[in-house]
Amino acid sequence: DSGVTQTPKHLITATGQRVTLRCSPRSGDLSVYWYQQSLDQGLQFLIQYYNGEERAKGNILERFSAQQFPDLHSELNLSSLELGDSALYFCASATRGRDGNTEAFFGQGTRLTVV
Amino acid sequence: GENVEQHPSTLSVQEGDSAVIKCTYSDSASNYFPWYKQELGKRPQLIIDIRSNVGEKKDQRIAVTLNKTAKHFSLHITETQPEDSAVYFCAATPSGSARQLTFGSGTQLTVLP
Repeated sequence: DSGVTQTPKHLITATGQRVTLRCSPRSGDLSVYWYQQSLDQGLQFLIQYYNGEERAKGNILERFSAQQFPDLHSELNLSSLELGDSALYFCASATRGRDGNTEAFFGQGTRLTVV
Repeated sequence: GENVEQHPSTLSVQEGDSAVIKCTYSDSASNYFPWYKQELGKRPQLIIDIRSNVGEKKDQRIAVTLNKTAKHFSLHITETQPEDSAVYFCAATPSGSARQLTFGSGTQLTVLP
């Protein structure tokens, strides 16, 4: 168990709908990353939050948005869903270790299927 | 920003042989390079990492090498076993803060019995 919790584990929804994916980082971790992993694809970075503020943006579509709340949990909102949005969405939390390195701990992911 | 390229995308080796996966990075500020292993249906997990002040690091059958001048780093797995079959991702980031890890595109390693 990485200590990062993602809900739900599975989500099936129709095209055009909107869904919210939730992530609770490890206790004490300030940074949350969202990644999309499509079939046979690598980990595509979507967005990063650090202590409630957006820190970096990757290839995130305008239909997608995210936020990090004061309790540090994060939500990824996906709207106007298309079939191509079907993927595994990972959340990772990270913190700076004693040696100064950043280790990311991944949640189990949310498998989104758009039908 | 950082760009990490990873090769090959797929790699098949016979059990007992060695496997090598290579990555290049673009941002000279990157100085921390972790490797993650993702087994089928599971989350990526850190298996080994290296900092830029070190050229090589070993942990049993796995090792990482770093050439900072050339901006490339590699994962070496010796005496491969079927349980090594997984997707491996390299990543790069400037250390010192919880900044964005930039991942390579992944390598599907298959160890044939």
